[in-house]
Amino acid sequence: AQSVTQLGSHVSVSEGALVLLRCNYSSSVPPYLFWYVQYPNQGLQLLLKYTTGATLVKGINGFEAEFKKSETSFHLTKPSAHMSDAAEYFCAVSGAGGTSYGKLTFGQGTILTVHP
Amino acid sequence: NAGVTQTPKFQVLKTGQSMTLQCAQDMNHNSMYWYRQDPGMGLRLIYYSASEGTTDKGEVPNGYNVSRLNKREFSLRLESAAPSQTSVYFCASSDGMGSPLHFGNGTRLTVT
Repeated sequence: AQSVTQLGSHVSVSEGALVLLRCNYSSSVPPYLFWYVQYPNQGLQLLLKYTTGATLVKGINGFEAEFKKSETSFHLTKPSAHMSDAAEYFCAVSGAGGTSYGKLTFGQGTILTVHP
Repeated sequence: NAGVTQTPKFQVLKTGQSMTLQCAQDMNHNSMYWYRQDPGMGLRLIYYSASEGTTDKGEVPNGYNVSRLNKREFSLRLESAAPSQTSVYFCASSDGMGSPLHFGNGTRLTVT
């Protein structure tokens, strides 16, 4: 079984400030981890993914995330927020076991607001 | 590239009516999925199809049925719609384990 917890349903930052969106997961097998972004009235777009290898993963639009196995965390960061980053962000986990079939379990989502 | 295409974009049903949501992907992916999105609950898996010819229940399958018509198409059917099925429905596809899901733009369904 696997689950994802996103800490904070709403995060508000000023333009130019650090963005930190928190994600903790549980998985009975080595996980694959993903961050998606959703703009209003659109589908979900992949930001970045962790499968194996380097624990610091770089994604699109200047975002990155660090996989910390000891903390079961996969927090998303961006050094300097831009107004266009305002959206809802989802963390998701998929087990690496043979019966996962690529299914993703999603967190509840975090709405990011960026103030001028 | 079209990616994942869902139809319709919007739908309003009365309680008890039926409808089918259509989904097609042009990326030659083996696996396809149906999720529903509700505020504060993230996305929850309804049904999935690991490969052509197979379907399995996800987290919230009650009230739904699916058909994997061929490798490209995966439809979701509501036989007797209920207000609790008011939601945004997303279809997705992937190459399977470890691969990211590619999402359609969703169907916004309201059941009155």
